[in-house]
Amino acid sequence: TQLLEQSPQFLSIQEGENLTVYCNSSSVFSSLQWYRQEPGEGPVLLVTVVTGGEVKKLKRLTFQFGDARKDSSLHITAAQPGDTGLYLCAGALIQGAQKLVFGQGTRLTINP
Amino acid sequence: KAGVTQTPRYLIKTRGQQVTLSCSPISGHRSVSWYQQTPGQGLQFLFEYFSETQRNKGNFPGRFSGRQFSNSRSEMNVSTLELGDSALYLCASSLAGSQTGNTIYFGEGSWLTVV
Repeated sequence: TQLLEQSPQFLSIQEGENLTVYCNSSSVFSSLQWYRQEPGEGPVLLVTVVTGGEVKKLKRLTFQFGDARKDSSLHITAAQPGDTGLYLCAGALIQGAQKLVFGQGTRLTINP
Repeated sequence: KAGVTQTPRYLIKTRGQQVTLSCSPISGHRSVSWYQQTPGQGLQFLFEYFSETQRNKGNFPGRFSGRQFSNSRSEMNVSTLELGDSALYLCASSLAGSQTGNTIYFGEGSWLTVV
């Protein structure tokens, strides 16, 4: 059983479209991080959210942490081919702990 | 500021052998954790070290071990390698103990292939 359910697992859309990736759990997280990973490389941190209801924006990417700190979403506006990659959500169950629980990942392909 | 550095990047080992992977954290970071990434299981936590002590451990057999040195550099060792140990091994570092979140930064990983 996956502690963090990430959906969809695969997404292929056209350039210019919008998309949302979801990360859901029945557990409460002290913080949640989103990463992007290219083939053969390590995950690169995009954002950390720590407060319930928090919204953070990174150019065309919008991240939201659920009010109850059990879920999160990543919304991309006007997707571009450069957004292609594996997006991972990861949560920390205990504040200060360095153990992350990862979702299965969303493999995103943006077609020109 | 240099990121998390892992060596070697790629290696091939034979079943039954052992392997040691090395990680240098971001300067000033005191916590180092290790993860295994496979296509089937995704990213799974192996263990975390802080101030040379193992502070947290995942659900992996005792063949997987690690240590941290006084300069925060860390090594992980896998003994009696099995085919299923083939994976990308990722090291991550953080300041640790942060009251504002658990921002963790990953290295590029060490690709291990067991034949």
